[in-house]
Amino acid sequence: GNSVTQMEGPVTLSEEAFLTINCTYTATGYPSLFWYVQYPGEGLQLLLKATKADDKGSNKGFEATYRKETTSFHLEKGSVQVSDSAVYFCALSEFTGGGNKLTFGTGTQLKVEL
Amino acid sequence: SQTIHQWPATLVQPVGSPLSLECTVEGTSNPNLYWYRQAAGRGLQLLFYSVGIGQISSEVPQNLSASRPQDRQFILSSKKLLLSDSGFYLCAWHGLGNSPLHFGNGTRLTVT
Repeated sequence: GNSVTQMEGPVTLSEEAFLTINCTYTATGYPSLFWYVQYPGEGLQLLLKATKADDKGSNKGFEATYRKETTSFHLEKGSVQVSDSAVYFCALSEFTGGGNKLTFGTGTQLKVEL
Repeated sequence: SQTIHQWPATLVQPVGSPLSLECTVEGTSNPNLYWYRQAAGRGLQLLFYSVGIGQISSEVPQNLSASRPQDRQFILSSKKLLLSDSGFYLCAWHGLGNSPLHFGNGTRLTVT
């Protein structure tokens, strides 16, 4: 079956530091890949996505590239801000006749300090 | 534009009491609907999904059930809550094809 593995947190960084959150996946077909962000007390928001190999998703300074050869989708940001503190979830989806079910990683908490 | 509403935002219920969480989607028709649970310190677990009115698929055996009485309404229920039902429940929807899921703001359920 499908699975997603994320680096465990929490990750604590100083403001303006470089961020990498690793994500690798296992899938039987050709999934789409996503990063979702969850701010405290809220639901999940789509941060970025990539639908095929070598696609780069980007949003709000975050980037992730769909690497089929390494089955990875690592999240990066060049300079984090305190407002980026949240939990980040990597996910994959394969659309079937039964719907678009996402498989999530366990989430990585990011804390950014001044 | 499409919006998704979940309520209530927080809920404290005693063990053995019933549960009803409601989710509605506006601005779209025939969405695929999902219920996820996020237990403390853990990832998200898919509980139920629905591709149409009256069509419910369960992903894991549990103390909960789901119903879809209308096209854009998805209800999560229990007849008797257990302590282990505590968690953060998220409703989500998506439109055609392999489009991304959009989540509601969640309901934090505490069973005491």
